[in-house]
Parts: sequence; structure tokens; C-alpha cells
Amino acid sequence: EPEVTQTPSHQVTQMGQEVILRCVPISNHLYFYWYRQILGQKVEFLVSFYNNEISEKSEIFDDQFSVERPDGSNFTLKIRSTKLEDSAMYFCASRRQGASTNEKLFFGSGTQLSVL
Amino acid sequence: GESVGLHLPTLSVQEGDNSIINCAYSNSASDYFIWYKQESGKGPQFIIDIRSNMDKRQGQRVTVLLNKTVKHLSLQIAATQPGDSAVYFCASAWGGKLIFGQGTELSVKP
Repeated sequence: EPEVTQTPSHQVTQMGQEVILRCVPISNHLYFYWYRQILGQKVEFLVSFYNNEISEKSEIFDDQFSVERPDGSNFTLKIRSTKLEDSAMYFCASRRQGASTNEKLFFGSGTQLSVL
Repeated sequence: GESVGLHLPTLSVQEGDNSIINCAYSNSASDYFIWYKQESGKGPQFIIDIRSNMDKRQGQRVTVLLNKTVKHLSLQIAATQPGDSAVYFCASAWGGKLIFGQGTELSVKP
């Protein structure tokens, strides 16, 4: 079964450093998402991306965050200057194009980001 | 704002028993709901979904019930197995994105 892949699985960084989290969505999917999950808490929406632009973003997704689809297969999340509170599991998700927005999302296994 | 919540943070059941996990949502405009299973160190895994024009949907060993009147949905797992141990999240679709609930940790005792 096709799956969303994320790298790295763990990322440790110093506060103030830039990090890039990488994702390879399922190949025929056109909608891409980033979610995050702080330890012990619920999964939170960050951003959605379609047709090479952001469709929607949450309050969490401030100017320190950016997303990019640099080529036909990768989807990245960049945090410019990491803060301690950015420590979380970051999940990439994708879904195929459908007539409705109500299509199930497929999630990657996540990147655990630890900011020291 | 939109919120989705679960009634219990943990649930412990005996192997072979049925499990019921509950969820309440606040946005009456939500028309699509999904249950995800998350095992330790993994991403959410789709279990079953239901649209608002239905009140029940069955899968393999799982059933989702939707009560739009009280904005409540539940996940029933029949003959719970040790492999069912995980955190279960409900999510509602609203505005093109999923809003997740807090999660219920299901523990299955052998």
C-alpha cells in the first residue's frame, strides 16, 4: 500500500536554528498538509497546500513557518528560528484530489523535533 | 471555535470484550468524521469514516455511530485484541481540514 514518508524520524536542534522537515506524499495525491502533536496532546492542524500554494493555515503557522514543494515529489516544512515550544511530533499528510474536501488523509510516521 | 473532544482519556478492557470510545464535536456544520488509531511512534492510521447523512457504518470489527442531534460519535471495537492497544482519535472535517479530538488511550488486558 502506498504511504507518506517523512525524514528524518528524529531531529534535534538548538533554539534559534533553522530546521527543514521533509515529506514525500503519496504520488497521485494533490493536497498536502502538516500537522503537529505536542507530547500527550491532540494532533493540531498547521497548514494545507494545494496547487503550489497555501490553502489554509492555523494560528500556529506564523511567519517562522514556511512550506514548499521544491520538486514533483517532496513537500517540506521549514521553521526559520526554532523555539523551545516548537518541540513536537510533526506529521505530514496527503490526500488525493476529490470532488469533496471530505477525503481521508494518509499520514506519515512523523518527525520528532526536539529543540534544546 | 471548532472543538472535538473525547469523554475519557483512558480505557482498559479485557481481551475479547467489546470496546466503546466516545467523542463529542461542537460544529454542527461538520459533515464528515473519521476515527484514527495511533500506535506509539507512528502517525495516525485511518480506521473508519462516516458522513453526516449516515448514522451507522460498519467495518471489519469496528462500527462507528453518529448522533447528529447531540453531536456525538462513537467507535465500537468488537472482540478487542492486544493489537488494538493504541490511542484513538476522532476527527471532524470542517473548512477543508480535520480537527482532531484529544485522544483516548485503549489498553487491552490479556
